[in-house]
Amino acid sequence: DTGVSQNPRHKITKRGQNVTFRCDPISEHNRLYWYRQTLGQGPEFLTYFQNEAQLEKSRLLSDRFSAERPKGSFSTLEIQRTEQGDSAMYLCASSLPAAGETQYFGPGTRLLVL
Amino acid sequence: KNQVEQSPQSLIILEGKNCTLQCNYTVSPFSNLRWYKQDTGRGPVSLTIMTFSENTKSNGRYTATLDADTKQSSLHITASQLSDSASYICVVSAGNAGNMLTFGGGTRLMVKP
Repeated sequence: DTGVSQNPRHKITKRGQNVTFRCDPISEHNRLYWYRQTLGQGPEFLTYFQNEAQLEKSRLLSDRFSAERPKGSFSTLEIQRTEQGDSAMYLCASSLPAAGETQYFGPGTRLLVL
Repeated sequence: KNQVEQSPQSLIILEGKNCTLQCNYTVSPFSNLRWYKQDTGRGPVSLTIMTFSENTKSNGRYTATLDADTKQSSLHITASQLSDSASYICVVSAGNAGNMLTFGGGTRLMVKP
């Protein structure tokens, strides 16, 4: 499977714990995006990378959230001191810069904070 | 503020029937508009993309229309199948940063036998 992959697919954690998610983009894609999606809503942009550079961060990305893409390939999204409001689906997408570029989404990581 | 509004929020139809989903947007400057299909527990998958100059685009039983003057789009599904049950999300890209997307809240479609 050469699509975008995300791990884990599901994560249950207790409030206050730290969690880390991983995204492996399509291999030749140099743009990588993180989104958060709550039930019944469309995805909300969190941040994006072009290669290893983090070019934009949403105001939704509080200080407890950090994303990295150290070698310009896979990316990690860490949430520190999780809160119940962090419960959501975290989606990763990748793309190639182009006119009308298409973002290809991974299956998401569903986080439940108890 | 860039916004995308979709209606209805949810829809139930019988297998074999047609349906039309609506999308209104206020995104400027406009670059393109996509419809994505998202199955439960999965990531969204692109169905169609339309630029300013295109007013209709088909992908099998899915036909999208775009009226750039009124800033409206629709997605028409013909001869619905059970596998069409999913959320359909309208996504608009701003022209000055074409990779930055504004997502609608989606229409949840359920096709019943």
